[in-house]
Amino acid sequence: EAEVAQSPRYKITEKSQAVAFWCDPISGHATLYWYRQILGQGPELLVQFQDESVVDDSQLPKDRFSAERLKGVDSTLKIQPAELGDSAMYLCASSANQGAAYEQYFGPGTRLTVT
Amino acid sequence: DAKTTQPPSMDCAEGRAANLPCNHSTISGNEYVYWYRQIHSQGPQYIIHGLKNNETNEMASLIITEDRKSSTLILPHATLRDTAVYYCIARTIYNQGGKLIFGQGTELSVKP
Repeated sequence: EAEVAQSPRYKITEKSQAVAFWCDPISGHATLYWYRQILGQGPELLVQFQDESVVDDSQLPKDRFSAERLKGVDSTLKIQPAELGDSAMYLCASSANQGAAYEQYFGPGTRLTVT
Repeated sequence: DAKTTQPPSMDCAEGRAANLPCNHSTISGNEYVYWYRQIHSQGPQYIIHGLKNNETNEMASLIITEDRKSSTLILPHATLRDTAVYYCIARTIYNQGGKLIFGQGTELSVKP
């Protein structure tokens, strides 16, 4: 069964450093989501792509976070500079298309610890 | 999307049915009820969704009350591997973007 791939699985970084996460969605999926999950809470959407275009980045802290999906396939989420409050699980999900009719498939996540 | 309310935690004995409730009293007619679960250190996994009729698949059953103000997810024979956080999400069919809005969920512990 096809899966969403994410790397790295775990990342420890010092505050003020730059960090990047990578996501490879299920082949053929047009919609890609990045969610952030703080310990003890449910995931929260950071950014959504439809092919290579951003369709929702209203919750992305744009002063320090950036995301790209240049060829409409894999995606990178970057944080620069990292802050202590960025410690969280970063989840990538993909779906065949945007909209409630399409099931979202999640990757295993990247656990970020900022020290 | 309507707000949902779930108990923070529940226990269930292995082999017994796990019944997870969800209140969504402000749900509108065009909103589906979705259930996802998240096993520790994994990403969320889709379980089932429904509009007003009861639904069943290989993982679970979803019972929605006639007034649609609440629903119950049923795992008929819970196993230790069903220990997870279960999220109930109300989601409009007109949600053009498709994003999921998660609450705190119910932490289900299946005990031997």
